[in-house]
Amino acid sequence: SQKIEQNSEALNIQEGKTATLTCNYTNYSPAYLQWYRQDPGRGPVFLLLIRENEKEKRKERLKVTFDTTLKQSLFHITASQPADSATYLCALIMDSNYQLIWGAGTKLIIKP
Amino acid sequence: ETGVTQTPRHLVMGMTNKKSLKCEQHLGHNAMYWYKQSAKKPLELMFVYSLEERVENNSVPSRFSPECPNSSHLFLHLHTLQPEDSALYLCASSQGETGHHNEQFFGPGTRLTVL
Repeated sequence: SQKIEQNSEALNIQEGKTATLTCNYTNYSPAYLQWYRQDPGRGPVFLLLIRENEKEKRKERLKVTFDTTLKQSLFHITASQPADSATYLCALIMDSNYQLIWGAGTKLIIKP
Repeated sequence: ETGVTQTPRHLVMGMTNKKSLKCEQHLGHNAMYWYKQSAKKPLELMFVYSLEERVENNSVPSRFSPECPNSSHLFLHLHTLQPEDSALYLCASSQGETGHHNEQFFGPGTRLTVL
């Protein structure tokens, strides 16, 4: 079955630097991949979607890449700010049933 | 009120209690979901409703019983739960074909503690 791996250790980044989070998956490439942000005590909030045939997607300071050869997606936040501190979740969508398969998330801490 | 709301936000119950979680979406979506989120674990999809019909039940124990009376409301009825059921229960909604690639909108969750 499809599994997703995200770094379980918190990622500490200095303010102003670029934060890069990793999402690795096993088995078959998904049709779509989504990234969400989750703050403590809140539900996840959708950030970006990237399709299987897209290599890169951008939205303001956010950039997502999708490498089907490496079976990996990278999520970048440029010019990071303390307000970017949160847990970031990736989720895959397979063609077969269109349900989301979630990673456990990576906690990002941006230090001033 | 906008978005997806959930009540109660916190719930403590004994193993013999019966309680219900409520979710309401104000987005006009046609699909609603229940997820369980435990610490350091991925979101676990429990139930999916599309156009008020249940389309997925991922081997969830019968002590969890969903109800979707209309496209805006979703309930999760709880009965004789176990301590390992303690978790954050999240409701979400989306528009379009069930699941598909459409983004999901989440409520704030109900933090459930089973004693």
